[in-house]
Amino acid sequence: EDQVTQSPEALRLQEGESSSLNCSYTVSGLRGLFWYRQDPGKGPEFLFTLYSAGEEKEKERLKATLTKKESFLHITAPKPEDSATYLCAVQAWTGANSKLTFGKGITLSVRP
Amino acid sequence: GAGVSQSPSNKVTEKGKDVELRCDPISGHTALYWYRQSLGQGLEFLIYFQGNSAPDKSGLPSDRFSAERTGGSVSTLTIQRTQQEDSAVYLCASSLAGFGNTIYFGEGSWLTVV
Repeated sequence: EDQVTQSPEALRLQEGESSSLNCSYTVSGLRGLFWYRQDPGKGPEFLFTLYSAGEEKEKERLKATLTKKESFLHITAPKPEDSATYLCAVQAWTGANSKLTFGKGITLSVRP
Repeated sequence: GAGVSQSPSNKVTEKGKDVELRCDPISGHTALYWYRQSLGQGLEFLIYFQGNSAPDKSGLPSDRFSAERTGGSVSTLTIQRTQQEDSAVYLCASSLAGFGNTIYFGEGSWLTVV
């Protein structure tokens, strides 16, 4: 069974204080690892898809990296508007269903 | 529309009543997913539709839950004889067919069973 574990559950940062969010996964065969951002009362907003170990993608203050066992979402010099819940999900090779299996998310708070 | 549209945004219903939740996917997206998000929990897969193929219903928690997709577009999730534990946000998502494509989510339908 595919499993995704995100840590820590919550993270509080000072504005400008860089940090990383962790996503560990076990999957029968990885087709893609997805990162989403979710604001309170909203649906998840797509950030990145990573397909193979060693791949990196960047968007503004965010950079996602992937190894064979985990992914990191690095946040450089965060701002209060980066406060949100960050969700990690995997898509596996098994079967024809392209569903995502999600972790429970990391709630990030950035203080001004 | 430009994104995945869900209705109603909020629904309060009495225990034992039936509810229907609607999802209108992005135009051209043949894959459609339903997820449930309970307070403090991750997104739980419910059901997957792809084109004219038989849906994958493996995530439906009980036979009180069902879903259909008409004309390969709009989908309806039905919960019969609602229970308090059904209270959650029900999220719909859509994507192009195949793996690795971006899966876009709607804003969700907040269901409260009282």
